[in-house]
Amino acid sequence: GNSVTQMEGPVTLSEEAFLTINCTYTATGYPSLFWYVQYPGEGLQLLLKATKADDKGSNKGFEATYRKETTSFHLEKGSVQVSDSAVYFCALSPGSGGYNKLIFGAGTRLAVHP
Amino acid sequence: EAGVAQSPRYKIIEKRQSVAFWCNPISGHATLYWYQQILGQGPKLLIQFQNNGVVDDSQLPKDRFSAERLKGVDSTLKIQPAKLEDSAVYLCASSLAGGPGYEQYFGPGTRLTVT
Repeated sequence: GNSVTQMEGPVTLSEEAFLTINCTYTATGYPSLFWYVQYPGEGLQLLLKATKADDKGSNKGFEATYRKETTSFHLEKGSVQVSDSAVYFCALSPGSGGYNKLIFGAGTRLAVHP
Repeated sequence: EAGVAQSPRYKIIEKRQSVAFWCNPISGHATLYWYQQILGQGPKLLIQFQNNGVVDDSQLPKDRFSAERLKGVDSTLKIQPAKLEDSAVYLCASSLAGGPGYEQYFGPGTRLTVT
């Protein structure tokens, strides 16, 4: 079946530190991969996506590369800010069936301190 | 462009009572989703509509949950009777179409507490 596993949080970093949040997946076929972010008091927002192997998604200084050989889609940012404090969700959309339901990981809370 | 609207934002009910949530998707979006997000977990798809037809309800507990999408626009999700384990945030999302290249836009959610 299809599933997503991401590192447990919370992740606590100082401002300007390097961020990695690990995400691995299990899927049949050729899924699309996503990172969503949920800021305090707000709804889920798409942060970045990749639709095929070796694609790199990027947005707001965050990036993630679709690695089929390791079934991974790790989220990275070179220098985090306090405003990046949020919950980050890795998700996949199965490649078959023509419909794009999302299967989410459990989420990783990031707290950035000044 | 207006986002996905949901109401109410919060609801507290006792077990065995019924409750309904409403969602208005982004104008022109053909596909509508309802997700359940239990505290500490990622959202889980309950049901997906394409226009006013159901394309996936495999994880909807059909003995107590029901959903409809009137005229392919607004949608209502109902729980009757509610159980303690239904306490969660119910998220509505919409996308322009149902294919894998289309982004889903999420509403703010309805937080349900069952006591």
